Amino acid sequence: GESVGLHLPTLSVQEGDNSIINCAYSNSASDYFIWYKQESGKGPQFIIDIRSNMDKRQGQRVTVLLNKTVKHLSLQIAATQPGDSAVYFCAEDDNDYKLSFGAGTTVTVRA
Amino acid sequence: DAGITQSPRHKVTETGTPVTLRCHQTENHRYMYWYRQDPGHGLRLIHYSYGVKDTDKGEVSDGYSVSRSKTEDFLLTLESATSSQTSVYFCAISEGGAVYEQYFGPGTRLTVT
Repeated sequence: GESVGLHLPTLSVQEGDNSIINCAYSNSASDYFIWYKQESGKGPQFIIDIRSNMDKRQGQRVTVLLNKTVKHLSLQIAATQPGDSAVYFCAEDDNDYKLSFGAGTTVTVRA
Repeated sequence: DAGITQSPRHKVTETGTPVTLRCHQTENHRYMYWYRQDPGHGLRLIHYSYGVKDTDKGEVSDGYSVSRSKTEDFLLTLESATSSQTSVYFCAISEGGAVYEQYFGPGTRLTVT
């Protein structure tokens, strides 16, 4: 089975609100956890990563939180915009030059 | 955007026919990957390459083979296509220093009838 999974397949968010996308993982040995964004008709795009020795990392309008105790990863998007509508994937590095991806969460931003 | 192209972008083929998908990069990255994407499954790794003529299997490699004779090209071959191989195929590249930061191509939509 998959070692990386997302809690919810879909998320609907009002424009301007904050979004939180969750992910559970099972491989405690992973060094990096990563979030990708995939817009309709395009390939996935790297958003942000967090190393396993960190709890939080911030980017531009995005924050990734890592809770190793419960093996939980989340992506927070501040002030969600229509351009944030996409499928979001969490992934983990298997320490062998490969990534394992979760099934994805589709985020829809309501105007 | 990273210089990655995939060809063809769309293909319809019949069961039992051979199919080859091409991934071409202009970034001179060492690592190249082939994924398939199906509803409810996210991205699943088919094969990957860590250098010219150096390849290895991913989690869903059955029915697929790959070749990498040049740094810039990574070919995925379906020797005898089946309907279960109908999917969207993505190529990705990365550098060794940050292999988790992969750059993806635009994808190839393959339909096997």
